[in-house]
Amino acid sequence: NAGVTQTPKFQVLKTGQSMTLQCAQDMNHNSMYWYRQDPGMGLRLIYYSASEGTTDKGEVPNGYNVSRLNKREFSLRLESAAPSQTSVYFCASSEGGTAQKYTFGSGTRLTVV
Amino acid sequence: EDKVVQSPLSLVVHEGDTVTLNCSYEVTNFRSLLWYKQEKKAPTFLFMLTSSGIEKKSGRLSSILDKKELFSILNITATQTGDSAVYLCAVGGHNTDKLIFGTGTRLQVFP
Repeated sequence: NAGVTQTPKFQVLKTGQSMTLQCAQDMNHNSMYWYRQDPGMGLRLIYYSASEGTTDKGEVPNGYNVSRLNKREFSLRLESAAPSQTSVYFCASSEGGTAQKYTFGSGTRLTVV
Repeated sequence: EDKVVQSPLSLVVHEGDTVTLNCSYEVTNFRSLLWYKQEKKAPTFLFMLTSSGIEKKSGRLSSILDKKELFSILNITATQTGDSAVYLCAVGGHNTDKLIFGTGTRLQVFP
């Protein structure tokens, strides 16, 4: 019963470096999401994918790109990391449509120095 | 603009106390309100409410929705130290599976 698996759990980057956060779900969910969580800001949507092959911007997409590789996997890429991207990143999935009940991964704590 | 506001931001209580967490919202074409509990890592699902006045209950936790006044409350009775967490409220509209989250209420329960 893995649910949603995120890797890595922790990462430290230097400003300007790039990296990809990986997310995979085994619940046959259609929709997947990337959120970031900052103190006092709650969870903010970066990008989401309503189905395989489609992606859309959320509330805070600048500086990020995503790929919905297949139904199971949804990756988030930082092309040129900035200190403002220091955050905890959560991947989530749901059945889609109007199901709206998310299952979250355990998060990635990213620090950009 | 759609938004979710939770109060209080932080709450400190002793074991055995009863607490009430509040969530008010403004969202286009409301469909559902969800409560999540977040300890050190991933938020975990507690309740989803879609109808006014119907209480959802799980052990010592309960929640109710008022669609007329646009708010929900989460009650926790006889609190325990294991209830210490951030409680997140989220709202979704029709024709979308995206959720809008509040900033959360941090609950600390001391022995």
